[in-house]
Amino acid sequence: GNSVTQMEGPVTLSEEAFLTINCTYTATGYPSLFWYVQYPGEGLQLLLKATKADDKGSNKGFEATYRKETTSFHLEKGSVQVSDSAVYFCALIGSNTGKLIFGQGTTLQVKP
Amino acid sequence: GAVVSQHPSRVICKSGTSVKIECRSLDFQATTMFWYRQFPKQSLMLMATSNEGSKATYEQGVEKDKFLINHASLTLSTLTVTSAHPEDSSFYICSARSPDLAKNIQYFGAGTRLSVL
Repeated sequence: GNSVTQMEGPVTLSEEAFLTINCTYTATGYPSLFWYVQYPGEGLQLLLKATKADDKGSNKGFEATYRKETTSFHLEKGSVQVSDSAVYFCALIGSNTGKLIFGQGTTLQVKP
Repeated sequence: GAVVSQHPSRVICKSGTSVKIECRSLDFQATTMFWYRQFPKQSLMLMATSNEGSKATYEQGVEKDKFLINHASLTLSTLTVTSAHPEDSSFYICSARSPDLAKNIQYFGAGTRLSVL
């Protein structure tokens, strides 16, 4: 079945550091890929998405590229801020199911 | 952007009572809504898919008689936890599918933290 695997956290960085959160997936067909962010005590917000191979999703300085050859969708940001501290979820919607499948989430802590 | 409102944000109840959680799409019509459950420091687990005007589709292992879902209108879905027990304590999150199916996006509510004493 479809699945998503993220790097384990927590990830702790200093402000202005470079961020990478790894995400790989297993799916049949051509899934759509997403990154969602969950701030403390809140629901999930869509951060970015990509719907086909080599697409790059970007928002608020975050980027992720849909790599079909490596089945990956790693999240990157060049310079993180304290306000980026949150839990980040990689997810996919399979072309055959229509259901959103989440990774286990990665907690990011950014220190001043 | 699309807004999904979930109410209440937090509820504490006694064991054996029932609790109703509402999920509303405020500025769009949602024929399909989803209910998730999130345990501490874990990912979201899909409980059921709610379709307006029809019965919900439950995921394997989710008791349909325990978690009653009603999607009576294009903007409202409700989840009722019946005869709640402490093991039902969790964070419940709803989402609504974008009316533009080509976007394949779900918009999430802020979640409801249920504590059963």
